[in-house]
Amino acid sequence: GQQVMQIPQYQHVQEGEDFTTYCNSSTTLSNIQWYKQRPGGHPVFLIQLVKSGEVKKQKRLTFQFGEAKKNSSLHITATQTTDVGTYFCAGPANAGGTSYGKLTFGQGTILTVHP
Amino acid sequence: DTEVTQTPKHLVMGMTNKKSLKCEQHMGHRAMYWYKQKAKKPPELMFVYSYEKLSINESVPSRFSPECPNSSLLNLHLHALQPEDSALYLCASSQLTTGHYGYTFGSGTRLTVV
Repeated sequence: GQQVMQIPQYQHVQEGEDFTTYCNSSTTLSNIQWYKQRPGGHPVFLIQLVKSGEVKKQKRLTFQFGEAKKNSSLHITATQTTDVGTYFCAGPANAGGTSYGKLTFGQGTILTVHP
Repeated sequence: DTEVTQTPKHLVMGMTNKKSLKCEQHMGHRAMYWYKQKAKKPPELMFVYSYEKLSINESVPSRFSPECPNSSLLNLHLHALQPEDSALYLCASSQLTTGHYGYTFGSGTRLTVV
């Protein structure tokens, strides 16, 4: 079945340093989504990427979708303590990419930011 | 209203108890989901409802019984659970519209089975 691998599992940074998490799918994805889960909280949808090679920015966060639509990355510039949490990528489990159904989540990257 | 509301937030139940988790959304989303999440792990899909009909059951044990009374409500009935069922139970919803794929998660019910 489809697998979504995410690395690293953990990342500790000093405040102000950059951070990147990478996501790789075993199959081509129709779209990829990113979620953030604060400690003790619930996943919050950040963004979706649909087009090959797509790059989207949200303030200090930059999201990329690979040309082959099998990989993605999230880069945070100049981390802040408010960035602490677990970042998950997720892609539809079915090749048809219907707008509902099973999402395959990456294992997540737990980000710790030291002030 | 852009939220998914889940109740209760915390639940402790014995292995012989029957309880229900509730989920409500008023965003007009026609797909609703139950996920289970263990600490430091990603959410695992349990059930999907689309247009109030059960469309996916991820081989969940029958001690978990979902119900979708209408397009805004989703319940998860619990009976004879095991301690290993202790987890965060998340409800989510999404649009059934091409191009809008993101899920809105509720804040979850933290369940402890004793």
